[in-house]
Amino acid sequence: GEDVEQSLFLSVREGDSSVINCTYTDSSSTYLYWYKQEPGAGLQLLTYIFSNMDMKQDQRLTVLLNKKDKHLSLRIADTQTGDSAIYFCAESLTGGGNKLTFGTGTQLKVEL
Amino acid sequence: DVKVTQSSRYLVKRTGEKVFLECVQDMDHENMFWYRQDPGLGLRLIYFSYDVKMKEKGDIPEGYSVSREKKERFSLILESASTNQTSMYLCASRGTGGYSPLHFGNGTRLTVT
Repeated sequence: GEDVEQSLFLSVREGDSSVINCTYTDSSSTYLYWYKQEPGAGLQLLTYIFSNMDMKQDQRLTVLLNKKDKHLSLRIADTQTGDSAIYFCAESLTGGGNKLTFGTGTQLKVEL
Repeated sequence: DVKVTQSSRYLVKRTGEKVFLECVQDMDHENMFWYRQDPGLGLRLIYFSYDVKMKEKGDIPEGYSVSREKKERFSLILESASTNQTSMYLCASRGTGGYSPLHFGNGTRLTVT
């Protein structure tokens, strides 16, 4: 079955790197996504990775995928106060129709 | 840019009322979704639709129904609202194709008293 898990909270100092982790159970994932939700808003796509890739870099964001361990991570370099938000990972499955399954979300707090 | 619009940001309803949450997208997407978001539980899929007049149950459909009479509009209906349906409701749409991400509206915070 589908199950996507994340830790609930992460606190970092401004300027440090943040690493948000996600584990999933279904090995038939095709695409994995990271979304960001700012207070009072809907979810906004940050980045995605295809399941046959190990890494993807996009400016300050680095996505790492360990398919053997079913582990996905999002690293934010030089974290800023504007990065404070909830971050969700999500997976799209082969044969899963067009729906995405989301993790529980990680609340990132950036302290000065 | 894809725009997904939810008709209300905040709603307060009484137990037993029939509630309609409306969602409109402007990108001609075939797929539309309703999620609810609760602290510590993430997003849970209520219903989704592949096409006009088609609907599929998600993970938590009990107490909800949906309507998709036009491609751009997907409505979520609470037939008889209950306090445990107090939540943030998020509508999303998605095109076809493996990569296509979900595009979300800003959400409707529903309080049932």
